[in-house]
Amino acid sequence: GAGVSQSPSNKVTEKGKDVELRCDPISGHTALYWYRQRLGQGLEFLIYFQGNSAPDKSGLPSDRFSAERTGESVSTLTIQRTQQEDSAVYLCASRHTYGDSGNTIYFGEGSWLTVV
Amino acid sequence: DAKTTQPTSMDCAEGRAANLPCNHSTISGNEYVYWYRQIHSQGPQYIIHGLKNNETNEMASLIITEDRKSSTLILPHATLRDTAVYYCIVRVYGGSQGNLIFGKGTKLSVKP
Repeated sequence: GAGVSQSPSNKVTEKGKDVELRCDPISGHTALYWYRQRLGQGLEFLIYFQGNSAPDKSGLPSDRFSAERTGESVSTLTIQRTQQEDSAVYLCASRHTYGDSGNTIYFGEGSWLTVV
Repeated sequence: DAKTTQPTSMDCAEGRAANLPCNHSTISGNEYVYWYRQIHSQGPQYIIHGLKNNETNEMASLIITEDRKSSTLILPHATLRDTAVYYCIVRVYGGSQGNLIFGKGTKLSVKP
């Protein structure tokens, strides 16, 4: 499709398990973002990838969280040893960097994570 | 922290114009004003952006004051489907700018 695609859309996991969330950005978009949104709360920035530059990891809440992106393609957010406070929707977004299209950031529909 | 302040909530009657204010008194000369909205259980959706001129598209109009310290998003004929949280954000246009900083937004409730 033409939009940002995320999978899985819903994930229920047991406390202590690792989870992996995937984001397929819009083709050609060099910038990719991960955000977290807890129920009833605002969006929290997690990490930002821009081309081949070092990612901005300043929003990652702990060392249990990590993300990878190869080139300008798919990104994976990994949460190790999940805790109940990790329950949230994880939103991915992407944008083109240059030209008139460089301003608009497009979001996916999110991956809903529930840790039980 | 977000660079914008918005009312927590607003109500609007269906079919009437919804006017959502935003204060951004510390905006820099190269920062644009962006508006997004988030309908329940969905990812944020881009609405409109502007620098200093008023802007209009198929979704909304954006009015920016001459001193650029505040702006208003106008939904000319609100429908029930416009019920959402509306976020006003300031950021530098394009380039290698980092993340969007979302505040708490305004929860708009459109009522029949």
